[in-house]
Amino acid sequence: DTAVSQTPKYLVTQMGNDKSIKCEQNLGHDTMYWYKQDSKKFLKIMFSYNNKELIINETVPNRFSPKSPDKAHLNLHINSLELGDSAVYFCASSLVGDTQYFGPGTRLTVL
Amino acid sequence: GDSVTQMEGPVTLSEEAFLTINCTYTATGYPSLFWYVQYPGEGLQLLLKATKADDKGSNKGFEATYRKETTSFHLEKGSVQVSDSAVYFCALWLSYNFNKFYFGSGTKLNVKP
Repeated sequence: DTAVSQTPKYLVTQMGNDKSIKCEQNLGHDTMYWYKQDSKKFLKIMFSYNNKELIINETVPNRFSPKSPDKAHLNLHINSLELGDSAVYFCASSLVGDTQYFGPGTRLTVL
Repeated sequence: GDSVTQMEGPVTLSEEAFLTINCTYTATGYPSLFWYVQYPGEGLQLLLKATKADDKGSNKGFEATYRKETTSFHLEKGSVQVSDSAVYFCALWLSYNFNKFYFGSGTKLNVKP
């Protein structure tokens, strides 16, 4: 029944490591997003895909690489993790211009 | 540029008090406006929305009216409950900007019994 799911929910790792976060939606939406939420709850859009095509690519280090194998999936790979990457990462999906549905978030802690 | 400005929190109220969280926007077009709520440890979920001027969105006792003349979309509730404690985000979407939503900085609400 889960509309937007993310794995893992928690991710603890060392600086310099590479990690991936997976996102899946079963709502039939054509657009998916990645957001980063910092400790002050500020929400920043990172990427947006529409029908597997990259639409929005905000000013994000190129260590972050999204991949959309199909319309229902949008994964986020992060290379050479840094302390400043620690945050909660949210995946979301929508039809264009309509309500966004958010996943439960992945809390990334870089030690 | 296009943006959303929310009142800073935290906002602390007693149960049954009246709530207002201010939200104003800057946009060159005619945006759709949204309020999202984030409960502790969860993702954001839609609370209400309005797609054109003078529309009123409402849900779970919360209301917000799209005011084009004041470029505002203030969130109100007549009587808050402890269970309303959460972070509230105002957001806008513009058709010409395709997929991009602009979120405010969030306002944390604490309701005390």
